[in-house]
Amino acid sequence: AQSVTQLDSQVPVFEEAPVELRCNYSSSVSVYLFWYVQYPNQGLQLLLKYLSGSTLVKSINGFEAEFNKSQTSFHLRKPAVHISDTAEYFCAVSEADGAGGTSYGKLTFGQGTILTVHP
Amino acid sequence: EAGVTQFPSHSVIEKGQTVTLRCDPISGHDNLYWYRRVMGKEIKFLLHFVKESKQDESGMPNNRFLAERTGGTYSTLKVQPAELEDSGVYFCASSQDRGRVNSPLHFGNGTRLTVT
Repeated sequence: AQSVTQLDSQVPVFEEAPVELRCNYSSSVSVYLFWYVQYPNQGLQLLLKYLSGSTLVKSINGFEAEFNKSQTSFHLRKPAVHISDTAEYFCAVSEADGAGGTSYGKLTFGQGTILTVHP
Repeated sequence: EAGVTQFPSHSVIEKGQTVTLRCDPISGHDNLYWYRRVMGKEIKFLLHFVKESKQDESGMPNNRFLAERTGGTYSTLKVQPAELEDSGVYFCASSQDRGRVNSPLHFGNGTRLTVT
């Protein structure tokens, strides 16, 4: 079984400031790691994911996350946020059972972090 | 392509009543998942269909919940009878290929269920 902890339930920041949303996980097996974002009145959208390879992964809108196996963390960062980044962000893991596995879509989520960007 | 569609977007029912939620996945997606977020808590997995078969229903809370996916297309999640603790947002997600790890999940906007 896996568990995910998002250490901050709410993060208020000013526009153009850097932000870090923290995520730690616990698992007895290898995992895939994800960040999802939910904008108001919308569904969850995949922001970025770590499956294997380079531990630093990036999204198209300037977010990045680094997988740290020793610290079991997958923190999300952005050097300068915009008003439009205001949303709830979810860290999630699934069991890495490889090609042909069926666990990829069975996600364990953290509690979510509400990022509010102020002008 | 059309996204994952969920009906209704909101539902308010009284304790003891029955409610049926519907999810239309993206066309051609064999995998369909149901998740639920109870107020203030994390989003939790309920079950996973591969086509019309239940692959994993380990997250279903109790036998008041019944999920179906007839013909491997849309899915319904029925709650009967509804209890107060069933209130929350129910999300549906779909993905294309069972064994391909790069096949992302596409989520619907969710159904907000309120049981009074």
